[in-house]
Amino acid sequence: GQSLEQPSEVTAVEGAIVQMNCTYQTSGFYGLSWYQQHDGGAPTFLSYNALDGLEETGRFSSFLSRSDSYGYLLLQELQMKDSASYFCAVRDGRAGTALIFGKGTTLSVSS
Amino acid sequence: DADVTQTPRNRITKTGKRIMLECSQTKGHDRMYWYRQDPGLGLRLIYYSFDVKDINKGEISDGYSVSRQAQAKFSLSLESAIPNQTALYFCATSGEDRPYEQYFGPGTRLTVT
Repeated sequence: GQSLEQPSEVTAVEGAIVQMNCTYQTSGFYGLSWYQQHDGGAPTFLSYNALDGLEETGRFSSFLSRSDSYGYLLLQELQMKDSASYFCAVRDGRAGTALIFGKGTTLSVSS
Repeated sequence: DADVTQTPRNRITKTGKRIMLECSQTKGHDRMYWYRQDPGLGLRLIYYSFDVKDINKGEISDGYSVSRQAQAKFSLSLESAIPNQTALYFCATSGEDRPYEQYFGPGTRLTVT
């Protein structure tokens, strides 16, 4: 079956850099997605890695190592508004394009 | 206007009642999904549909049913609500070309007493 592991909480200060890890076990890997969810809000798509390496989008970067079944989301120049939960997700091999989500990492940014 | 809308946004109901949660989208996507979210458990897939004639169970479909009335509409029903179905419910859509990028509605907060 599929499973994803993420640390439950991370804390950091404004201006810092934070890395949030995700390890996965899946049958038939298609890629790793990242979503952000502010408290009570809808999850929003951040990034996707299908191949090994780093993808950068502004202050956000996402990394994938397929051989290690591991990825991370890197946030630079942290801002208070980055306080949110971050979920990694993989496609469910049995359910086509439906996603299986990790339990998420709650990031708290303080001043 | 929002691309994915859900109604109602909040609902309190009693054990044993039938409840329908509705989802509409203007993205033009064929693929639609229902997830539930419980604190600390992430998002779990209830049902998904790849087109009007294709409905599939997700990992936690027991106690739920769905109806895909049109490409743009996907409803979730709780035939006889029970307290452990208290959760935040999200509808989502995705396109065939970017299935990893799902668009979520604002969610329905359901409380079963």
